Amino acid sequence: GNSVTQMEGPVTLSEEAFLTINCTYTATGYPSLFWYVQYPGEGLQLLLKATKADDKGSNKGFEATYRKETTSFHLEKGSVQVSDSAVYFCALGTFGNEKLTFGTGTRLTIIP
Amino acid sequence: DSGVTQTPKHLITATGQRVTLRCSPRSGDLSVYWYQQSLDQGLQFLIQYYNGEERAKGNILERFSAQQFPDLHSELNLSSLELGDSALYFCASSVRQFSSTDTQYFGPGTRLTVL
Repeated sequence: GNSVTQMEGPVTLSEEAFLTINCTYTATGYPSLFWYVQYPGEGLQLLLKATKADDKGSNKGFEATYRKETTSFHLEKGSVQVSDSAVYFCALGTFGNEKLTFGTGTRLTIIP
Repeated sequence: DSGVTQTPKHLITATGQRVTLRCSPRSGDLSVYWYQQSLDQGLQFLIQYYNGEERAKGNILERFSAQQFPDLHSELNLSSLELGDSALYFCASSVRQFSSTDTQYFGPGTRLTVL
């Protein structure tokens, strides 16, 4: 079956620090990979996605590269801001399997 | 704003009661998904409807049921509520039927508290 393993949190960083949140996956079939973000008190928002190997998804300064050889989709940002404080979810979907499979989420707190 | 709306935003009720959560998908989206987010289980897929028909079931309890109406809005019915049903319930929508490789757009959620 499908599964997502995500870096345990919480993660606390200072403003302008470099961020990496690790995500690895197991999938039957050829997955699409997603990062969703949940700001305090809000629903999930799609942050970025990648649908095939070596694709790089990017948005709002965040990037993640679909690495088939290491089955990974790590989230990175070069310089985080206080407004990036949120919970980040890695997720995958495979064709013919209608649900998204989510990781456990990583709570990120950025300190000024 | 994802374009997916959910009502109510908060719901507080007692054990044994029944509640209905409502979701309106994005304009043009035919698939609706329901997810439950709880502290101990994380984000769990419950059920999917496509154009009015049930398409896939996940970890949905028998006490829970859902339907999608001709105008494509969906309702999730939770009955004989237990304390453990307290959670955030999300609705998501997407265009296609086999669409877990496509983007699912999430609503803001309904927070259910069972006392």
